[in-house]
Amino acid sequence: KAGVTQTPRYLIKTRGQQVTLSCSPISGHRSVSWYQQTPGQGLQFLFEYFSETQRNKGNFPGRFSGRQFSNSRSEMNVSTLELGDSALYLCASSLGTRGNLLGYGYTFGSGTRLTVV
Amino acid sequence: AQSVTQLGSHVSVSEGALVLLRCNYSSSVPPYLFWYVQYPNQGLQLLLKYTTGATLVKGINGFEAEFKKSETSFHLTKPSAHMSDAAEYFCAVTPGGVANFGNEKLTFGTGTRLTIIP
Repeated sequence: KAGVTQTPRYLIKTRGQQVTLSCSPISGHRSVSWYQQTPGQGLQFLFEYFSETQRNKGNFPGRFSGRQFSNSRSEMNVSTLELGDSALYLCASSLGTRGNLLGYGYTFGSGTRLTVV
Repeated sequence: AQSVTQLGSHVSVSEGALVLLRCNYSSSVPPYLFWYVQYPNQGLQLLLKYTTGATLVKGINGFEAEFKKSETSFHLTKPSAHMSDAAEYFCAVTPGGVANFGNEKLTFGTGTRLTIIP
């Protein structure tokens, strides 16, 4: 079956612009989580959406937002980009139930590499 | 709250030698523990996980890890390193137990880059 698809793979944006990243989870998965990966801070949790509702949120400023659609696809948006937002943004999908963690865990996409200049 | 400490940001081993990557965790509730591997320009791939039951867990590519509650550790091992094992490895924790259903965000360690010497 198809894995987690993230688009685009690479993005270059200018400071002050905004950007939208997309994530299509594995078919049947209802939970989508977003992580930011940088050399300095490592992997940090942004937020998780489950059945179109934000279920968990990390410690990021309000410039970072997300949403999930009825088909479980998710988007994250970063407004007023800063140089420090340059990172690999990873999306992970799961069934969203406790049983899933016991069985399968999270499946990650290949990420979107965002460069802010 | 949970946290993960990975000792050694870089580990080098000879091909055919034992691989040992260290992970210690801190958790106020019983943890679920994971090891992920990341190859260059790729996402994270699950190697293995511990949730409940047997404390020695086996994963893909010949890796295994042992959950030691008394030592709060979850070290990753492989008896014989292969060149294809060169990658970055991440240990992660999430709160376990029914009471934490819906609070399943992963907290990652800082990663260990594994280099295999021919």
